Amino acid sequence: SQQGEEDPQALSIQEGENATMNCSYKTSINNLQWYRQNSGRGLVHLILIRSNEREKHSGRLRVTLDTSKKSSSLLITASRAADTASYFCATDAGGGADGLTFGKGTHLIIQP
Amino acid sequence: DTAVSQTPKYLVTQMGNDKSIKCEQNLGHDTMYWYKQDSKKFLKIMFSYNNKELIINETVPNRFSPKSPDKAHLNLHINSLELGDSAVYFCASTSGGTRGIQYFGAGTRLSVL
Repeated sequence: SQQGEEDPQALSIQEGENATMNCSYKTSINNLQWYRQNSGRGLVHLILIRSNEREKHSGRLRVTLDTSKKSSSLLITASRAADTASYFCATDAGGGADGLTFGKGTHLIIQP
Repeated sequence: DTAVSQTPKYLVTQMGNDKSIKCEQNLGHDTMYWYKQDSKKFLKIMFSYNNKELIINETVPNRFSPKSPDKAHLNLHINSLELGDSAVYFCASTSGGTRGIQYFGAGTRLSVL
C-alpha cells in the first residue's frame, strides 16, 4: 500500500500568500520528511520531523506532525515565485529496509 | 562540485536494447538508492545498497540490475528495454541509514521507443 498521500494534488496561489499542503500515511514511522522538486530537477530535502516531535520550523517553512491521525502538514509562509515546484512527503517504512516511501506530491504554483 | 551526479541526463533508445545509467556520489555516504519516477510524478524506490548489501524492491523486474564497483558508485543496468520502462530514474544517497535525509541526482530521463 502507498504511504504518503499528499493533498491537494495542485495548488495555485498569489505571491505573498501562505501555502499549506497535507500528507497522510498509513503505517508507523520513525520520521517524516518533506522534499521539493523543481521542474526537470532532482528532489531537494527541506525538513525532517521525528515521530516524537509535533512541530518544526525552518525559515519560512513550518511542518506539523500528528501521529495519532497519521498526518503532516507543510506550511510555506509569504510565498515567492521561486517556491513554484512539486512538494513530496516521504516516510520510512518502519522496517528500515525499504528506504523512504514518497507520495505523489503537491504541485504548487505561485502566481506573481 | 555536484554531490550526486548521474549520467546521462537523457537517454533515448529502442525496445529490446540494453542500457546503463551511472551514478556517483562524493559525499562519503554509505547507502545509495535508485528510484523510478513515472509520468504522474510518482516516485518509487527500486533498490537500496548499503555496505555491499543489496535490498531489492520485489516489484522490480529482474531485467533491472544495480552494480556497485565501490561505495561511491551505484550504476543501473537495464536489459531488454520495454516501453513501460520510460520514466525518469533518480539516484540518491544518504549517510543516515535508510531513514536519513537523502541527496538526489538530477535524474535521467529514459525514453524507450
